[in-house]
Amino acid sequence: TQLLEQSPQFLSIQEGENLTVYCNSSSVFSSLQWYRQEPGEGPVLLVTVVTGGEVKKLKRLTFQFGDARKDSSLHITAAQPGDTGLYLCAGARGGYQKVTFGTGTKLQVIP
Amino acid sequence: GAVVSQHPSWVICKSGTSVKIECRSLDFQATTMFWYRQFPKQSLMLMATSNEGSKATYEQGVEKDKFLINHASLTLSTLTVTSAHPEDSSFYICSADLAGETQYFGPGTRLLVL
Repeated sequence: TQLLEQSPQFLSIQEGENLTVYCNSSSVFSSLQWYRQEPGEGPVLLVTVVTGGEVKKLKRLTFQFGDARKDSSLHITAAQPGDTGLYLCAGARGGYQKVTFGTGTKLQVIP
Repeated sequence: GAVVSQHPSWVICKSGTSVKIECRSLDFQATTMFWYRQFPKQSLMLMATSNEGSKATYEQGVEKDKFLINHASLTLSTLTVTSAHPEDSSFYICSADLAGETQYFGPGTRLLVL
């Protein structure tokens, strides 16, 4: 099993602050996805990155795939209470979509 | 986007009974579906890969005789937890693979075994 470690595990910040979540592995992935999950619901896909060094932006969220395709980061600018949730990275190998999920980062944004 | 549903959304059962959970892809066909289990405050752990028309592939440590998976059609996979025990209480989530590119997740089923 390829382990994906996320850091921090838990983050509590004030509204308007910036934050970065990291997803690290010793394995190479063909693609990496970021999800957000709210309590009692399934994960919702935010983005997929496939190219080493790739940067994708989704409004206030910026995602980057490491050059070696072993790690990724999620940066949120001016966090809002609606950003609260569990953020999960997930790595896929090859074209097959069997993914390995990261350990998760629970974000709480306080109004 | 693609929609995946699960039924039931929550279930409470007595120890020793069996529970069936359905996972449906509503607007696309999925030859492959995945079943995950998530314990409180933890990430998703893959249990098995469900392939339409063939046997499921189970992850190491997951008992195939306890967690029966049937993928009888391109839009439906079922997970049956047989002889459920309190330690099987968890949040079960399925996902469906769209064209080998993206997984879409269901809303999950919360199982509580008394």
